[in-house]
Amino acid sequence: QVQLVQSGAEVKKPGASVKVSCKASGYTFTSYGITWLRQAPGQGLELMGLFSAYNGDTNYAQNLQGRVTLTTDTSTNTAYMELRGLRYDDTAVYYCARDPSDEGHYFDYWGQGTLVTVSS
Amino acid sequence: EIVLTQSPATLSLSPGERATLSCRASRSVSYYLAWYQQKPGQAPRLLIYDASNRATGIPARFSGSGSGTDFTLTISSLEPEDFAVYYCQQRSSWPPSITFGQGTRLEIK
Repeated sequence: QVQLVQSGAEVKKPGASVKVSCKASGYTFTSYGITWLRQAPGQGLELMGLFSAYNGDTNYAQNLQGRVTLTTDTSTNTAYMELRGLRYDDTAVYYCARDPSDEGHYFDYWGQGTLVTVSS
Repeated sequence: EIVLTQSPATLSLSPGERATLSCRASRSVSYYLAWYQQKPGQAPRLLIYDASNRATGIPARFSGSGSGTDFTLTISSLEPEDFAVYYCQQRSSWPPSITFGQGTRLEIK
């Protein structure tokens, strides 16, 4: 069965970086896009960026440009999201999700979420 | 950026009743609209994609309709496990954007 398993919770200081992993199984990793989203406490969902399986392109949310990098390791079927220059308002649950359309039309399987807390 | 407005913000109903949730886009998104259900402490779950297609394993009591700017998620007869927050999501080609609505909380009356 399709599974996306994310790395564990992180506590970081302001200005630091965090790298969250998302290990995929149960499907052909290189045939589907991967997207990253986040959800601040008590808030809605925010797209961070998409990684295209078709051409390896990445598209980032405008408000995170320059601070976020999405990568994949096809040898281990793992996607990564790195966020730099952490601020208090980056405290959120971070999710990876599979994108069957490879264009962000919808996301059919999600990781369990990784809580990132930014605290001094 | 296309804005999705969901209504109502909160819907209070009893098990067995019919739920109708609305999602309105600020510009046409064609049929590229999806619906998700999220329960506390869990990741969202895809219910409907491309406005009216049920995702794998989703019960038939969930249905989606609409196109352009107005969309509806209907739950024909509420089960206890359906009380959750529901989000709509769009993907537009121009201007290119992916956004979510602010959510509708479906609570037990």
